[in-house]
Amino acid sequence: SAVISQKPSRDICQRGTSLTIQCQVDSQVTMMFWYRQQPGQSLTLIATANQGSEATYESGFVIDKFPISRPNLTFSTLTVSNMSPEDSSIYLCSVHGEKNTEAFFGQGTRLTVV
Amino acid sequence: AQSVTQLDSQVPVFEEAPVELRCNYSSSVSVYLFWYVQYPNQGLQLLLKYLSGSTLVKGINGFEAEFNKSQTSFHLRKPSVHISDTAEYFCAVSDPGGYNKLIFGAGTRLAVHP
Repeated sequence: SAVISQKPSRDICQRGTSLTIQCQVDSQVTMMFWYRQQPGQSLTLIATANQGSEATYESGFVIDKFPISRPNLTFSTLTVSNMSPEDSSIYLCSVHGEKNTEAFFGQGTRLTVV
Repeated sequence: AQSVTQLDSQVPVFEEAPVELRCNYSSSVSVYLFWYVQYPNQGLQLLLKYLSGSTLVKGINGFEAEFNKSQTSFHLRKPSVHISDTAEYFCAVSDPGGYNKLIFGAGTRLAVHP
């Protein structure tokens, strides 16, 4: 299993500002995944972050809005840029276990944009 | 492309009654199937997974699920629920041939009443 720590756990931000969310894993992993969970909805994959290369974004998500860093095999950040109230969501970091047969999730960052 | 349909957005049930949460998927390739649970204000926790082999899969907290390839279903069951089972349940599918990106269903809110 993997233990994932996310910071902050929650935040209230002003529109137009940016928030960087940190994700720390207790073991080295090749890929880290960032998901968004809008209020009352399911999880949607934002992007996949590989160490040493550009993140791969899913349809509907762009690097200018959600820049991602992956400086090493245990850490990643997701920035939500130029926030609007529509960005109010839970953002979750995830990694896969050995053999890619299950995913582990952080506790999430609950973001409210006012 | 893969997709997951959870047929019930909400399932109310009385304590100690049996429950079934329904999940159907579509995919042109073989898949891995998962059920995750999300308790209020928490991240996702894996309940059980189907990778291959026996179609009846047992998970944590007394839950089980049955993979039915012909009906492309993976319904979750518990013979007797507790108040503490009140949570959001997500069915998910991944493609073992790729990098196992998870596709989630919309979720089912299980509400257990005394």
